Amino acid sequence: DAGITQSPRHKVTETGTPVTLRCHQTENHRYMYWYRQDPGHGLRLIHYSYGVKDTDKGEVSDGYSVSRSKTEDFLLTLESATSSQTSVYFCATSQGGGYTFGSGTRLTVV
Amino acid sequence: DAKTTQPPSMDCAEGRAANLPCNHSTISGNEYVYWYRQIHSQGPQYIIHGLKNNETNEMASLIITEDRKSSTLILPHATLRDTAVYYCIVRVANSGNTPLVFGKGTRLSVIA
Repeated sequence: DAGITQSPRHKVTETGTPVTLRCHQTENHRYMYWYRQDPGHGLRLIHYSYGVKDTDKGEVSDGYSVSRSKTEDFLLTLESATSSQTSVYFCATSQGGGYTFGSGTRLTVV
Repeated sequence: DAKTTQPPSMDCAEGRAANLPCNHSTISGNEYVYWYRQIHSQGPQYIIHGLKNNETNEMASLIITEDRKSSTLILPHATLRDTAVYYCIVRVANSGNTPLVFGKGTRLSVIA
């Protein structure tokens, strides 16, 4: 969707290194979310934000942290990447119920 | 959020109507039924949502039973581009603090 940009689109990193994924929106939506998607698990919520500096944990938050210093940006950080964090990561925004998803970031941890 | 049950997979012939069922027997009075779909490798896409009345938009129709315990998403003339995983989700509308919870959905294959 043109209103949400995820970067990078693809990344390969080594175990133990820190990684930051960025989600940028131009919709001025209040709520932002990070999900991961793995085969056999569907989409699972990692963290979400309900405003600048306001965040909360989701179902699979261990090993991840987030920050939201501006309405338009929501960062997901893997403090020390592990192979189990190899996944496709989707960012989403919402305002008034409907969600808009980004195109995803494919992260491979080797 | 209430739990939903969907068949894991369905096939549909191109040009025919695709009817995707969803059971949500524990839905609360203030919870809506939402449908999203995910085409291979893309982010999920919103399709439609409803509370108790049937809804229609340019993509699909949503039929909700009178007791609200089940619903059906109808794609009136399925095309190959409709091949995707379809997710039925129940949640309170406008509740950003209650994020979407995805199940495994129904994998719809539209066959030429």
